[in-house]
Amino acid sequence: NAGVTQTPKFQVLKTGQSMTLQCAQDMNHNSMYWYRQDPGMGLRLIYYSASEGTTDKGEVPNGYNVSRLNKREFSLRLESAAPSQTSVYFCASSEQVNTEAFFGQGTRLTVV
Amino acid sequence: GENVEQHPSTLSVQEGDSAVIKCTYSDSASNYFPWYKQELGKRPQLIIDIRSNVGEKKDQRIAVTLNKTAKHFSLHITETQPEDSAVYFCAASWTDSNYQLIWGAGTKLIIKP
Repeated sequence: NAGVTQTPKFQVLKTGQSMTLQCAQDMNHNSMYWYRQDPGMGLRLIYYSASEGTTDKGEVPNGYNVSRLNKREFSLRLESAAPSQTSVYFCASSEQVNTEAFFGQGTRLTVV
Repeated sequence: GENVEQHPSTLSVQEGDSAVIKCTYSDSASNYFPWYKQELGKRPQLIIDIRSNVGEKKDQRIAVTLNKTAKHFSLHITETQPEDSAVYFCAASWTDSNYQLIWGAGTKLIIKP
């Protein structure tokens, strides 16, 4: 049982480049999330999808877009990367809102 | 907006002693309060959660208490062991954002042998 799988694990981008982080879950969960984690700041929600076909902004959506491709997959896109987007990104899923969230292994992104 | 404050930022305890981490929240309508543990370089994992209709919940050496009036909740770990060393995060649901979670900044727990 793979749980939540996100790719890539590491990425270095130049300022202005674009990229998409991929996330897939095999637990038939309805809700999926993208977080960023910065030192000393905990987890901050970027975007979430409460159910297939819906997406909503979280605390820090600026500079990001998301796509809930189907029930399994939820991707995060950076259109024009900035150094302020250097962070560790986590994808997560849960059966529904306010139930246990299962996290992917994280993507360490550096923008130079 | 919703704010969750977590204290202390670092906690060092002797192995076998108890550890207590406290969080306060601002949204009086928050109804879900989970605690996650994150070991170094790993993903966060849920260790215990509590809902607003319950005052206390226990799971072996771990317990969480909720005081809705004071808007704070605490994680209690008894008989601490080396494997309890990690960063612990609290979170609270935020009604203005469809009950999505707002997270505390984390507490680094160090268990001294």
